[in-house]
Amino acid sequence: EVHLVESGGGLFPPGGSLRLSCVAPGFTFGDYWMSWVRQAAGKGLEWVANIKEDGSEKIYAESLKGRISIARDNSKKLLSLHMDYLRGEDTAVYYCVRLSGVKTGHYDYWGRGTVVTVSS
Amino acid sequence: SYVLTQAPSLSVAPGETARISCGGINIESKSVHWYQQKSGQAPVVVMYYDTDRPSGIPERFSGSNSGDTATLTIRVVEVGDEADYYCQVYDSATDHAVFGGGTRVTVL
Repeated sequence: EVHLVESGGGLFPPGGSLRLSCVAPGFTFGDYWMSWVRQAAGKGLEWVANIKEDGSEKIYAESLKGRISIARDNSKKLLSLHMDYLRGEDTAVYYCVRLSGVKTGHYDYWGRGTVVTVSS
Repeated sequence: SYVLTQAPSLSVAPGETARISCGGINIESKSVHWYQQKSGQAPVVVMYYDTDRPSGIPERFSGSNSGDTATLTIRVVEVGDEADYYCQVYDSATDHAVFGGGTRVTVL
């Protein structure tokens, strides 16, 4: 069964950095594009970043480009997101998500999310 | 960048039909995916590639896409369908995924 389990959330100071992780047992991780999607409290879903099956292609939301980096380790079935220069508006639930097959496809599995709070 | 527009809310009585719209310029040229998010839970895909229904999603859910509007239709609405619904497309011009703002469906 497909499972996506995020970790790394917590309370971070403005201007700080974070690294979120997602372990993905239950399927052949290296066969899928993976993504991060976030959701601020009471707000809608916001796509953050995509990474290709082999990590050779990374795509970032324009609003976050320059502050974030997505990476993966297929041998460990691990997806990560690094974010610098944190702001209050980065406060959100961050979901690790699997793309169904191609980057144009749908998000077929979602983790439960990890909560990030940026505050002094 | 491509914009998807959804009405913020929709109220429907049990047993009635809910039609949730997602507007975008020439959206019919894109594949639209729909997600259901119940309170406190992660989203779940309920329709993909406009009209494909994942296993486990009731036949009461259907999708369409024409012109500038894609629609998720829920027939014979149940209390358990109460949730936020989001449409999503892939924008080839920017290589980005785009979500609509979401529609909160309330079952009265």
